[in-house]
Amino acid sequence: GQNIDQPTEMTATEGAIVQINCTYQTSGFNGLFWYQQHAGEAPTFLSYNVLDGLEEKGRFSSFLSRSKGYSYLLLKELQMKDSASYLCAVRDRNTDKLIFGTGTRLQVFP
Amino acid sequence: EPEVTQTPSHQVTQMGQEVILRCVPISNHLYFYWYRQILGQKVEFLVSFYNNEISEKSEIFDDQFSVERPDGSNFTLKIRSTKLEDSAMYFCASGQGLNEKLFFGSGTQLSVL
Repeated sequence: GQNIDQPTEMTATEGAIVQINCTYQTSGFNGLFWYQQHAGEAPTFLSYNVLDGLEEKGRFSSFLSRSKGYSYLLLKELQMKDSASYLCAVRDRNTDKLIFGTGTRLQVFP
Repeated sequence: EPEVTQTPSHQVTQMGQEVILRCVPISNHLYFYWYRQILGQKVEFLVSFYNNEISEKSEIFDDQFSVERPDGSNFTLKIRSTKLEDSAMYFCASGQGLNEKLFFGSGTQLSVL
């Protein structure tokens, strides 16, 4: 089976940097995804890691360590519109589904 | 940018009634999914569909649920006899390949009274 853990809530200030951690256990690993979800809306894709290391995309970066079963999403230069839930999702080997964590609700304050 | 579309956006039904939730995946995608999200909870996998058949389903996806791709564009989720606990946001998603990201529709909010 799979187990994905992330903090439930985080707060940060506009302009700051925040790191959202995700740990996972899976019987086989075939990629980790980060999605953003605003309240009442669909999840939207942010990043994908399948190899160890850092993937940078504008203000957002995602890191993966497969040996540690660990990933983080780094958000820089926070804006008010970044207030949302951030979902860590893992794809198991030999399956086509994504399994989601509970999500981290980020509130950005002025 | 191409998108997954879902209809209706809201559906209210009486317990025991049948509902059909509709989705039009992105046209060149091969993998189709239904997920649900109960208010305040995580996004849960229901079923995946590839090559005109179910490839995987979760424990939630019992005999009351079925999926169909009746033509080349639509992908439907049917709940045969709805229960109160089926109230949730239902998301359709599609993907181009096995290691590709999923694109989600805007969801159907199902309320069972």
